[in-house]
Order: sequence, then C-alpha cells, then structure tokens
Amino acid sequence: GAGVSQSPSNKVTEKGKDVELRCDPISGHTALYWYRQRLGQGLEFLIYFQGNSAPDKSGLPSDRFSAERTGESVSTLTIQRTQQEDSAVYLCASRQSSGAMDEQFFGPGTRLTVL
Amino acid sequence: QKEVEQNSGPLSVPEGAIASLNCTYSDRVSQSFFWYRQYSGKSPELIMSIYSNGDKEDGRFTAQLNKASQYVSLLIRDSQPSDSATYLCAVNRAGNNRKLIWGLGTSLAVNP
Repeated sequence: GAGVSQSPSNKVTEKGKDVELRCDPISGHTALYWYRQRLGQGLEFLIYFQGNSAPDKSGLPSDRFSAERTGESVSTLTIQRTQQEDSAVYLCASRQSSGAMDEQFFGPGTRLTVL
Repeated sequence: QKEVEQNSGPLSVPEGAIASLNCTYSDRVSQSFFWYRQYSGKSPELIMSIYSNGDKEDGRFTAQLNKASQYVSLLIRDSQPSDSATYLCAVNRAGNNRKLIWGLGTSLAVNP
C-alpha cells in the first residue's frame, strides 16, 4: 500500500492479558517509530527502529513492553500483562533513511482499551 | 522549560480569517521543523516541513522559521471550518536517530 498501515484498528482486552500490535511501514522506509497517545495528551515516543535493530528504546515504559522488526518491514509491539493505564492509541510512523529529510508519516493507529 | 512549547489554545478564528500558530523550541542545534495536523480521533498528518530560515508557502499554509529566536510558526490563510483540528509542532533532535521532539499541540477552532 501507499501509506503506513496498522492492525488491529481497535483492541479491547482484559487486564493481565498480552496484546500484539502490528505496523506495516511505507515500502522502502527503513526507519520506524512507535508512539503512544493517551486521550487528550501529546505523543509519547516509545521506540525507534533503523532496519531491524532498535538503537533507541528509551521510551518503553516498562519491561512489559517490547517490540521487534523483521525483514526491515513489519514491526510488532507487544504489551504483556496489560494494565488499565496502558489504554491509549498506539501510533506507528515511518521515515525514509536516505537524505536529510526527517519527515515521519503516521499510520491510523491502534486504539487499545484495557478493561 | 519544555523542549517544544505551544500554546494549548483553543485558538478560535472566524471563517476566512488568518490563523496564526506559534511554537518555540529550546535546542539551538535543531535543524528540521514540522507542522502536523491531527483531527479528533485520527492520527497526525504532515502538512508542512521547513529546514531553513524564512517563509515557506504551500497553498493556504505558510511556515515561518526564525532560528535565532528559536521559533517556528504556521499561518493558515482563508481559514475554513475543515481546518479545525489540533496542530502539532515537531522539531528534530540532532543525533543518529533523528528523533522528533513534539509539542503538545494547539487546538484551532474555525467558526463558520
């Protein structure tokens, strides 16, 4: 596709369950970012991938959060033992790595609700 | 001091007026500056990027950058109700991961 895609668009889960969120970046974009946005709040950086490696994981809030990327394409964000405070929209963005442009393009997000 | 600051608003302008949105940043070595629009319940959408001092125009939008004063602004001419959204300012952080630092956004309401 032409843009960043994310799935599922909505996820409702029970406290304590694990969830997996998926991101498909724009083809050819080797840089990928995950963000969290709580209701009415700003964007919170979680993790950055360059290719399949993650040189910056500084935003992951706890060890319940992890992410991986394979084939310099799809990325999965996993949240283990979900808590109610994990409820938010999880956004993925991708960026070209060549050139000096830092423009990031966002997917539609996954709205996670933890009951 | 926050790294990227925006007035949270809401900024209310009548239809057809010019909306002026401002953003200040603290990192003097920042090189790239962006304005994103975010409609309620949607993800951010890039509307302008600017890399050098001065003005950059794209349709009804003009971005203005002043690195000496460390501010970047967005002007929206002939504002339309469809421009009602939250506008996010983002600034690059120099370094290998080219991470963007985000403001909290300014809410704009264009009244018919």
